[in-house]
Amino acid sequence: EVQLLESGGGLAQPGGSLRLSCAASGFTFSNYVMSWVRQAPGKGLEWVSAISGSGTSTYNADSVKGRFTISRDDSKNTLYLEMDSLRAEDTAVYYCAKDQAFCTGSSCSFINIDYYAMDVWGQGTTVTVSS
Amino acid sequence: SNELRQPPSLSVSPGQTASVTCSGDKLGEKYVCWYQQKPGQSPVLVIYQDSKRPSGIPERFSGSNSGNIATLTISGTQAMDEADYYCQAWDSSHVVFGGGTKLTVL
Repeated sequence: EVQLLESGGGLAQPGGSLRLSCAASGFTFSNYVMSWVRQAPGKGLEWVSAISGSGTSTYNADSVKGRFTISRDDSKNTLYLEMDSLRAEDTAVYYCAKDQAFCTGSSCSFINIDYYAMDVWGQGTTVTVSS
Repeated sequence: SNELRQPPSLSVSPGQTASVTCSGDKLGEKYVCWYQQKPGQSPVLVIYQDSKRPSGIPERFSGSNSGNIATLTISGTQAMDEADYYCQAWDSSHVVFGGGTKLTVL
């Protein structure tokens, strides 16, 4: 069974840092683009970051650029989101999600936006930024 | 980045057809996905590449995309389809979500 399990959420102070993790199982992790999506309380979905299968290409929302870093460790089947300079508006449930398209070889170095769709989501981890 | 606009809410009677729209500049030139999210749950992909259904998604869910409007159609809407629906596309190396449409089945 394909599963994603997020962890690392919690309470952080404004200006502080947190690192989220997403443990993947049930599929060949290195062959899929992975993403982070967040949802503020009572609000809609907001895309945060995406990383190619090989980890060589990353994409970030303007709202987190320069503050959040997405990375992956394929040896541990784990996706990360390093969050620095946290702000109150970063308060949200953070989901990790798997792309539906399988990549191989050189195609894993980029994200094929024509095939991009998040077909498996974790249960989410809650981040609260408050003093 | 390009904005995707959705009506905040939509009501439909059981058994009727629900059409959830998503509008954006030249949206028909991009691939659109749709996600369903029920209260307290994670989103579920219901349509990708404009009109393809992932395995396990009922046939009553269909999608189209042309011009500036993408549409998620739910035929024979059931009570279990009551949820928030979000469209999503790529624009300028960013993923963009629509604001979401709350579908009420009553």
